[in-house]
Amino acid sequence: GAVVSQHPSRVICKSGTSVKIECRSLDFQATTMFWYRQFPKKSLMLMATSNEGSKATYEQGVEKDKFLINHASLTLSTLTVTSAHPEDSSFYICSALGRSSGANVLTFGAGSRLTVL
Amino acid sequence: AQSVSQHNHHVILSEAASLELGCNYSYGGTVNLFWYVQYPGQHLQLLLKYFSGDPLVKGIKGFEAEFIKSKFSFNLRKPSVQWSDTAEYFCAVRDGAAGNKLTFGGGTRVLVKP
Repeated sequence: GAVVSQHPSRVICKSGTSVKIECRSLDFQATTMFWYRQFPKKSLMLMATSNEGSKATYEQGVEKDKFLINHASLTLSTLTVTSAHPEDSSFYICSALGRSSGANVLTFGAGSRLTVL
Repeated sequence: AQSVSQHNHHVILSEAASLELGCNYSYGGTVNLFWYVQYPGQHLQLLLKYFSGDPLVKGIKGFEAEFIKSKFSFNLRKPSVQWSDTAEYFCAVRDGAAGNKLTFGGGTRVLVKP
């Protein structure tokens, strides 16, 4: 089946540093990848949509200079949280849309928990 | 913009009880509807989805959902829950106007007591 891998699963960093989270589709090509943020006890909030080879489309209220998204290939998208602050601590989840075994699939990664000290 | 409402934030029930979780969406055009489950410490998994056809959809693990277009609803049901159904359940909607973006409801945390 279609599998999406996120790395790292947990990361702790100091305030002011930058953190990169990777999202890989392991056995299919993802034409579109989505990045979500999940606050404690709350739902997933879509941050941005990225298509391979083009700039990401950010949702209203999401700072594109703070949350840098790169979708360099059909199997990899990265989210970089720049100059992280404690309020950026959250659970970040990616999902990938593509075709696997002849069917459209939308698969979620396991998420990355970011803690900014 | 599309919005999705899940009316129950927390549900506590005993094993063998029946479960029904409500989901309503706002946009009235062509929609695709999903229910996802997130078990403790795990990633989101698809339970079932509705694209077209029979409005009663059967998914994995004994779950089913009914699409009622006139009520903008897509409620999730399971006749007899198990302790292993303890999880958070999310309803999601993808509408044609928003491309492939999913809009999620706030989630319902279900606790099944053994």
